Amino acid sequence: DSGVTQTPKHLITATGQRVTLRCSPRSGDLSVYWYQQSLDQGLQFLIQYYNGEERAKGNILERFSAQQFPDLHSELNLSSLELGDSALYFCASSSWGYEQYFGPGTRLTVT
Amino acid sequence: DAKTTQPPSMDCAEGRAANLPCNHSTISGNEYVYWYRQIHSQGPQYIIHGLKNNETNEMASLIITEDRKSSTLILPHATLRDTAVYYCIVFYKSNDYKLSFGAGTTVTVRA
Repeated sequence: DSGVTQTPKHLITATGQRVTLRCSPRSGDLSVYWYQQSLDQGLQFLIQYYNGEERAKGNILERFSAQQFPDLHSELNLSSLELGDSALYFCASSSWGYEQYFGPGTRLTVT
Repeated sequence: DAKTTQPPSMDCAEGRAANLPCNHSTISGNEYVYWYRQIHSQGPQYIIHGLKNNETNEMASLIITEDRKSSTLILPHATLRDTAVYYCIVFYKSNDYKLSFGAGTTVTVRA
């Protein structure tokens, strides 16, 4: 158990809909990262937050957004969903040690 | 970040040491070598990292060549639970802490 929690575990929704994925980092970790893993793209970095502020962005679509709240939990919002957004979404957290600890992921299926 | 090259797959007998090679010939002086693994759709798990010196922890050993152009992850006594995809990542500790995952090596431990 990495100490990072993600909810929900599974999510099935229709095209055009909007969903919110939630992540709680390990106690004391200020950084949160979001990654997407699809069959054809592998693990791709989406976005990083540090203590509430956006720190780095990867190939995150404009339809996707994220935020980190004062209690350090983070949410990833995916809107206007397409079939190709079906993937595993992982959250990771880290402290000054730089090692990232990943949560169990949310499996999103868009039908 | 420097690119890495890993064999796509390898087999290992249970109880034997598994030696996983990684080539990172373009690594620069301030880039670290990190290893993660992913057991079937679970969140990636941090294993070990190093800069120049060999490193050992409770999970594995990391051997980095003197010129730092390649490294080997050693799982000393592989078990069936070590079957996973292993990722070698070269990582520069900057403000941008994203991990760039390649295809990794699929390690299958056989009884």
